[in-house]
Amino acid sequence: GIQVEQSPPDLILQEGANSTLRCNFSDSVNNLQWFHQNPWGQLINLFYIPSGTKQNGRLSATTVATERYSLLYISSSQTTDSGVYFCAVEQGGETSGSRLTFGEGTQLTVNP
Amino acid sequence: KAGVTQTPRYLIKTRGQQVTLSCSPISGHRSVSWYQQTPGQGLQFLFEYFSETQRNKGNFPGRFSGRQFSNSRSEMNVSTLELGDSALYLCASSRNLNTEAFFGQGTRLTVV
Repeated sequence: GIQVEQSPPDLILQEGANSTLRCNFSDSVNNLQWFHQNPWGQLINLFYIPSGTKQNGRLSATTVATERYSLLYISSSQTTDSGVYFCAVEQGGETSGSRLTFGEGTQLTVNP
Repeated sequence: KAGVTQTPRYLIKTRGQQVTLSCSPISGHRSVSWYQQTPGQGLQFLFEYFSETQRNKGNFPGRFSGRQFSNSRSEMNVSTLELGDSALYLCASSRNLNTEAFFGQGTRLTVV
């Protein structure tokens, strides 16, 4: 099956710093989503971005589908940005359907 | 608009028992998927339902089963619980197949 690799696995920042999280995937995908898992376990949708670039406040994401990677940018980080960020891809088609394959996540800690 | 609702939020069961978890998708969404999250295995796909039909199943033993009702609500059942079934179980809903997935808050199951 498709492999999803996220880097770095851990990231520690000072408040106000910028960061880039990367997601590489091993095969073509129909869809790609970025999530932030809050301390209670819920996955919060950040971006639905099979290709191109999107921005939402201090966060932006870029997916280059032809080169099989996606980047999540966090600018002017805040302590509330702490948590685990997941990238998930969906291949579609009859075999894979709508299943999401997740990376192992990036644990982000933002210190005051 | 209400999000994805999972019940119960927390559950403690004894080895050998069975458990049923419930998921109510976002109104108008027809696809429901289930995922298991453990520290060792990460987020893994369990199964996907669309219009009351199981379209996809992950690599889990037959003790794990599910169903979807005509109102799109879904249940998953785990029989003969094992200690290793302790996990956060997450449900996701999508409007249709291969569209953006939205997750519930999860059910944290502890098997003792």
